[in-house]
Amino acid sequence: DAKTTQPPSMDCAEGRAANLPCNHSTISGNEYVYWYRQIHSQGPQYIIHGLKNNETNEMASLIITEDRKSSTLILPHATLRDTAVYYCIVRTNRDDKIIFGKGTRLHILP
Amino acid sequence: NAGVMQNPRHLVRRRGQEARLRCSPMKGHSHVYWYRQLPEEGLKFMVYLQKENIIDESGMPKERFSAEFPKEGPSILRIQQVVRGDSAAYFCASSPTRQGGETQYFGPGTRLLVL
Repeated sequence: DAKTTQPPSMDCAEGRAANLPCNHSTISGNEYVYWYRQIHSQGPQYIIHGLKNNETNEMASLIITEDRKSSTLILPHATLRDTAVYYCIVRTNRDDKIIFGKGTRLHILP
Repeated sequence: NAGVMQNPRHLVRRRGQEARLRCSPMKGHSHVYWYRQLPEEGLKFMVYLQKENIIDESGMPKERFSAEFPKEGPSILRIQQVVRGDSAAYFCASSPTRQGGETQYFGPGTRLLVL
């Protein structure tokens, strides 16, 4: 079973920042937080991951709370192409497989 | 720098036929993972392979399904005697090392339809 809880869906206006929350209250010290997204009819796409520090790359920023029980994925300027299901996943550095939950279906509104 | 490649992208089979799905990992990647996504559901892990070895097949159905990753050539997911319930999208992912937690990169998937 997935170890994360995400809202089933969210809306965001085009051009605004999309903030996707994720709860992982039972996360262990050696578990990373990963984010993937799946655009309709495509394979999952890796976005970003982190352990405890905030991370930023060309796609997004990941903000992890100090107690690591929750995190937020930020897409700074959402576009229509960001419409997708976003999956928050926790994995240790011993885990081979990814356990996907139901994710958040993000709708970008024109 | 080609990503993970899967073929065919779409496959139609009649009940009882065999389905063969192929996956070529990213260049330099020697670890392959197969996932299945049933209609309107999330992705479920099936099997993890290294070259010539099955590392974890805990998600594979016990019958009719098999996977291989030979020394040369792509990884193959084989489904014998397909049934309608096998209709799904099958995704392959690859990673460069055995390190757990390594980022996996996914292919575009093969959509299997069983008539």
